[in-house]
Amino acid sequence: GIQVEQSPPDLILQEGANSTLRCNFSDSVNNLQWFHQNPWGQLINLFYIPSGTKQNGRLSATTVATERYSLLYISSSQTTDSGVYFCAPHGSSNTGKLIFGQGTTLQVKP
Amino acid sequence: DAGITQSPRHKVTETGTPVTLRCHQTENHRYMYWYRQDPGHGLRLIHYSYGVKDTDKGEVSDGYSVSRSKTEDFLLTLESATSSQTSVYFCAIRIQLNTEAFFGQGTRLTVV
Repeated sequence: GIQVEQSPPDLILQEGANSTLRCNFSDSVNNLQWFHQNPWGQLINLFYIPSGTKQNGRLSATTVATERYSLLYISSSQTTDSGVYFCAPHGSSNTGKLIFGQGTTLQVKP
Repeated sequence: DAGITQSPRHKVTETGTPVTLRCHQTENHRYMYWYRQDPGHGLRLIHYSYGVKDTDKGEVSDGYSVSRSKTEDFLLTLESATSSQTSVYFCAIRIQLNTEAFFGQGTRLTVV
């Protein structure tokens, strides 16, 4: 099956800093999602991005499917950005199942 | 709000007892999924459903069964709970294959 690797595993930022999170996957995918798991455990949809670039406020994401990676950019980080960020590609099977990476744990300090 | 409700939200049960978790959706989505989340493992797929009475196994299905008798409900059953099934369980829904998936708020299950 598809292997997903996220980097870095842990990241500590000062409020206001920018960061880039990376997701590599081992096989071709039909689509990909980014999620933020907040400190209360809730999984929040950030992007549904099979290819190309999307932006939503201070966050943007780019997926280059042919090179098997996706990037999540966080600009002007805030303490509310803290939590775990998951990349979850959807494989080419007909199940729609998401394959999760281990996540990047982000801590933004005031 | 994607219209997903998981119940119960928290449960403590004893080893060997049966447990059923419920995922209820109001969106008429075709696809439903059960995942478990454990430290160091991210989220792993237990079972999924692609329609009423149509279900299949995921990567960590041993010890779990599911049922989907109507579109809006997907039940996950632990026939005889074990301590290794202590976890946070998430339900997800998707209207079609190439669409966004949405997750419920999770059920924290502790088996003592």
